Amino acid sequence: DAGVTQSPTHLIKTRGQQVTLRCSPKSGHDTVSWYQQALGQGPQFIFQYYEEEERQRGNFPDRFSGHQFPNYSSELNVNALLLGDSALYLCASSSTPLYEQYFGPGTRLTVT
Amino acid sequence: SQELEQSPQSLIVQEGKNLTINCTSSKTLYGLYWYKQKYGEGLIFLMMLQKGGEEKSHEKITAKLDEKKQQSSLHITASQPSHAGIYLCGATTPGYALNFGKGTSLLVTP
Repeated sequence: DAGVTQSPTHLIKTRGQQVTLRCSPKSGHDTVSWYQQALGQGPQFIFQYYEEEERQRGNFPDRFSGHQFPNYSSELNVNALLLGDSALYLCASSSTPLYEQYFGPGTRLTVT
Repeated sequence: SQELEQSPQSLIVQEGKNLTINCTSSKTLYGLYWYKQKYGEGLIFLMMLQKGGEEKSHEKITAKLDEKKQQSSLHITASQPSHAGIYLCGATTPGYALNFGKGTSLLVTP
């Protein structure tokens, strides 16, 4: 049974560019949440998608946007990258929005 | 907003020793998760606690949620090098987000 998968593993972008990160949820899960984890910090909630809609959003600017597809996979898009966007981006899936969340391995984004 | 404080921030223990990590919330906890993270990797789900006084164990790791539901502890018995990593507590919020502490870094020496 495949767990949560994320791609790519690592990414290096230049300030001002745009990036798309991808997530496939654990089999049987229909809810995807995205978190940003800066070095030495706990993960910070970005947003959650359920039934292809954004259900809740954390304190992140509109440069951060997402999408969920009919097969429950999800994308996180970040526009106009800033140096401060450098972090580990984690995707988590659950069987419903309120159930326990299982995390993927993350995508390490470096903005230069 | 809810703040989660973990203590200690870091811990170095000798293999075979017991240890405890604490997670204290500024507000009542309605659901508390414990995760383990290897450096720079994803989070591994350990346990979820929901009821005051609840205690769960998995292998040599035991987690408790206190009666007043504002603190949780994670206890590791007879630590092993495989226990090394960052332990994170996360609290459910009104809604769907998990709010995390900054983590406790654990190193187990031979």
